[in-house]
Amino acid sequence: ETVLTQSPGTLSLSPGDRATLSCRASQSVSGNSLAWYQQKFGQAPRLLIYGASNRATGIPDRFSGSGSGTDFTLTITRLEPEDFAVYYCQQYDPSSRLTFGGGTRVEIK
Amino acid sequence: QVQLQESGPGLVTPSQTLSLTCTVSGGSINSGGYYWSWIRQLPGEGLEWIGYIYYTGSASYNTSLKSRLSMSVDTSKNQFSMTLRSVTAADTAVYYCARVRATRGYYHLDNWGQGTLVTVSS
Repeated sequence: ETVLTQSPGTLSLSPGDRATLSCRASQSVSGNSLAWYQQKFGQAPRLLIYGASNRATGIPDRFSGSGSGTDFTLTITRLEPEDFAVYYCQQYDPSSRLTFGGGTRVEIK
Repeated sequence: QVQLQESGPGLVTPSQTLSLTCTVSGGSINSGGYYWSWIRQLPGEGLEWIGYIYYTGSASYNTSLKSRLSMSVDTSKNQFSMTLRSVTAADTAVYYCARVRATRGYYHLDNWGQGTLVTVSS
């Protein structure tokens, strides 16, 4: 099973700052099938990025994804007040199917 | 825009069976290229994939739940369902249904239901 480790656990930043979130896989992610989600309190997760670097429909361009193999990054340039939330990465592989990382909380400093 | 809505009991007795249904609107569950999935989130915790099913009835399950889990699809009602047997308090969670888009080798959850809290307690 592919295990995803997200770091840091919590990121304390101010509006306007740049956020860099990491997701590391225990083995190479098949076909770079790596997605990122945003979850606000009491809400369902929302897809931000798929295929490591493709923005989902309607997602602002301040969100970007990069990486390949085992190391992936979600970058949020110029944090807006509505961006403070928990972010999860998710991968697909043919054996364990879908797995999620433990999440990174982006909180207001 | 496809919408998904979970339904089912909010309280289940320990050792009994948890059954949930997801109703899909705004699109057909028969659409190729999509799987229909369940995910859960334990209180204050992260996300756990439960399993997914294709409209043909072919399903894949999380190995940690496989012995207690089954999924089904009803294309005539545009619904899919899950059944989890022999539940314990550890199965208390918010359960989400979601659509898995499978394209170009990428598998990701592009539409989610609002989630339903299921509590296992006597």
